[in-house]
Amino acid sequence: QVTLTESGPALVKPTQTLTLTCTFSGFSLSTNGMSVSWIRQPPGKALEWLARIDWDADKYYSTSLQTRLTISKDTSKNQVVLTMTNMDPVDTATYYCARGRGRFDTWGQGTLVTVSS
Amino acid sequence: ERVMTQFPATLSVSPGKSATLSCRASQSVGSNLAWYQQKPGQAPRLLVYGASTMATGIPARFSGSGSGTEFTLTISSLQSEDFAVYYCQQYNNWPYTFGQGTKLEIK
Repeated sequence: QVTLTESGPALVKPTQTLTLTCTFSGFSLSTNGMSVSWIRQPPGKALEWLARIDWDADKYYSTSLQTRLTISKDTSKNQVVLTMTNMDPVDTATYYCARGRGRFDTWGQGTLVTVSS
Repeated sequence: ERVMTQFPATLSVSPGKSATLSCRASQSVGSNLAWYQQKPGQAPRLLVYGASTMATGIPARFSGSGSGTEFTLTISSLQSEDFAVYYCQQYNNWPYTFGQGTKLEIK
């Protein structure tokens, strides 16, 4: 059974750096063809893809956010980490991690991050 | 960046009837199009990928069609659990992009 679980702070202050961890089971990110993405959703709004990391450590980022995002993986711990710098109230959203190279077949339950002073 | 436009924004349909949801890409995305269902407080669930291939465990009343720039998700004989928000997503080009969603509500 494939599962993904997001963890991180529920509240961050403006200008701070957000670090989120996706811990997964049921698959390995060292398997050829495997990928994990981060996707976010502001309250009441649509989904926005943020970043992807592949089994071979290739990384892809949202065009509009690439200067603020870093994605990394720890294969031994079955974890993917996303950092986002210079957080702003508009970054308030539920952040999801999901498995898949294009379509996302399994999602975590999401973690709500609020940016406020 | 491929802009995905979904219409209508809200669709009101009676249980037992059929619903047709549309998604349009600003440029061709081939068949690299997925549909997701999202219920309040839940993560999205993959319904369709490759424009017309059903994901595992998805009921047969769901079907997807289209290619290039025009795509459709059809839900026949609507059940109470089908009323939700539906998103399309292209994965043909970077960055991946989602539509703004169609809310399917009970009439």
